[in-house]
Amino acid sequence: NAGVTQTPKFQVLKTGQSMTLQCAQDMNHEYMSWYRQDPGMGLRLIHYSVGAGITDQGEVPNGYNVSRSTTEDFPLRLLSAAPSQTSVYFCASRGGQGTLNTEAFFGQGTRLTVV
Amino acid sequence: EDQVTQSPEALRLQEGESSSLNCSYTVSGLRGLFWYRQDPGKGPEFLFTLYSAGEEKEKERLKATLTKKESFLHITAPKPEDSATYLCAYKETSGSRLTFGEGTQLTVNP
Repeated sequence: NAGVTQTPKFQVLKTGQSMTLQCAQDMNHEYMSWYRQDPGMGLRLIHYSVGAGITDQGEVPNGYNVSRSTTEDFPLRLLSAAPSQTSVYFCASRGGQGTLNTEAFFGQGTRLTVV
Repeated sequence: EDQVTQSPEALRLQEGESSSLNCSYTVSGLRGLFWYRQDPGKGPEFLFTLYSAGEEKEKERLKATLTKKESFLHITAPKPEDSATYLCAYKETSGSRLTFGEGTQLTVNP
């Protein structure tokens, strides 16, 4: 059982480049989300999805796009990378229909540096 | 404004020296309060969910408690392997979004 898998683990981009951070889970979880973690800021929600074909914005969505074509995959796209997007990115998932469920499974993170 | 504050930012303990971490929250309607552990270079690991004031949860040397304004993570006789950053987060009754605190970095020296 792999859980939540993120790729790549590390990435360096030049300002203006685009890229996609991959996230996959093998637990058939409906809810998936993307967070960024910055020193002094805690984890902040970028985008989330409650199921295939359904996505919504979180707290800091600007500069990022997501799509959810399958239950398993939830890629995060950076459209035109900026130094302010230098951060550690985490993908998370949770299962079940209960409203009290929380993100119980996080990936290992992608450390992104934009120069 | 709804928010969550964790204290202290960093805590250094000797092995066996019990202590508590604090998570203060201000939210109009609390659906749940959650604790996570995060090791360096890793994603957060879920520990506990607390739903209502007075509730307690335990796991090995950790016990989480909840009041109407704050949650405590009590660490009894900690070991070096308990060293990590501990995060709390809450979820409001309206919506499904988790809001995280900045964490407490715990170091337990042998």
